Amino acid sequence: DGGITQSPKYLFRKEGQNVTLSCEQNLNHDAMYWYRQDPGQGLRLIYYSQIVNDFQKGDIAEGYSVSREKKESFPLTVTSAQKNPTAFYLCASSSPYTGGNTGELFFGEGSRLTVL
Amino acid sequence: AQSVAQPEDQVNVAEGNPLTVKCTYSVSGNPYLFWYVQYPNRGLQFLLKYITGDNLVKGSYGFEAEFNKSQTSFHLKKPSALVSDSALYFCAVRDGGNTPLVFGKGTRLSVIA
Repeated sequence: DGGITQSPKYLFRKEGQNVTLSCEQNLNHDAMYWYRQDPGQGLRLIYYSQIVNDFQKGDIAEGYSVSREKKESFPLTVTSAQKNPTAFYLCASSSPYTGGNTGELFFGEGSRLTVL
Repeated sequence: AQSVAQPEDQVNVAEGNPLTVKCTYSVSGNPYLFWYVQYPNRGLQFLLKYITGDNLVKGSYGFEAEFNKSQTSFHLKKPSALVSDSALYFCAVRDGGNTPLVFGKGTRLSVIA
């Protein structure tokens, strides 16, 4: 079945450690996104990529890094510079905003990161 | 800049009654509007969208939404609520350009039997 796979579902990390969250899609979508969700704050955009080997910062990129070496994959690294990394992280993908495409997002099931 | 407001953090409704979840937006140009639903510890699921055309949009699970350009609103509605509709609902918007979706803070819907 086509979809977006995030792993791991749950992750625990000690302060000062980097951690990488995986996001893979087989929808043949060009664009991929990472959002962070905190209670009462909705979804905030961390990074997005509209094409392989290119990505842009979102509203809260500090302390995070990404890569887009393959169309199917968009991993997110939460670095030790992220002051408050405990959150629910959501990956999404969409077709490009061209030719009248509406850019509807398809989401993965999320990864919950807890810093101990 | 685009923005979305969901003025109610929580909406409570009795099962069988109609429900409304409110959303207002701000965008330059024509808006592309979306509603998503989220169940606990899950990703977001697409419910419906407005791009152009009829102001009343029908979506999944019996939900519909009404686009009102003069009030810059896109309220989500359902004629008869079910307990299983209890979830977190997000409104989102983008303009016609090449920009990512901007989400509201979400409204928690609780349907009481």
